[in-house]
Amino acid sequence: DGGITQSPKYLFRKEGQNVTLSCEQNLNHDAMYWYRQDPGQGLRLIYYSQIVNDFQKGDIAEGYSVSREKKESFPLTVTSAQKNPTAFYLCASTPVGSYNEQFFGPGTRLTVL
Amino acid sequence: SQQGEEDPQALSIQEGENATMNCSYKTSINNLQWYRQNSGRGLVHLILIRSNEREKHSGRLRVTLDTSKKSSSLLITASRAADTASYFCATLGPAGNKLTFGGGTRVLVKP
Repeated sequence: DGGITQSPKYLFRKEGQNVTLSCEQNLNHDAMYWYRQDPGQGLRLIYYSQIVNDFQKGDIAEGYSVSREKKESFPLTVTSAQKNPTAFYLCASTPVGSYNEQFFGPGTRLTVL
Repeated sequence: SQQGEEDPQALSIQEGENATMNCSYKTSINNLQWYRQNSGRGLVHLILIRSNEREKHSGRLRVTLDTSKKSSSLLITASRAADTASYFCATLGPAGNKLTFGGGTRVLVKP
């Protein structure tokens, strides 16, 4: 089955630690996105990448970092510089040049203890 | 920044009734999309309407777009308990490289 996977589903982190969230897709999509969702809120764009080895900051990139070494993978690192990292993180992908839908993964819920 | 603002924030209806939610946005768009999210899950694409379209249908969904008012509406007809979810509008800007999401409408359909 084609789709997007995110792991882990739940993640707990101590304050001051970096943590990396995984996002993998086998849809052969060029573009990938990371969003943050706070309770009862909409999605805010953290980073996006339209091609391997290139990525752009979204609206709330501070305290986050990404890499795009492979087309299929777009991991997100939440660094200790992110002041309020507890949130639900969603990864999505879409073919470049397509003005159509984004396909979403199931999300990772990060809790900072 | 959130381009889309949705109204109402929450909606509670009985099964069989229609549910209507609205989305307003601020800048020019290439298209507007509606997504659904069940609690704690990822988003699922429902329907897309392009900036040169005024109305679109898909099953029990009807979307309208008024670019002069920078607003869109989503109508779910004959709602079912399974329609209980949050619904988000998202706009694609002219550059066509990223979506901007609204805050969502939480819909509860009571059996």
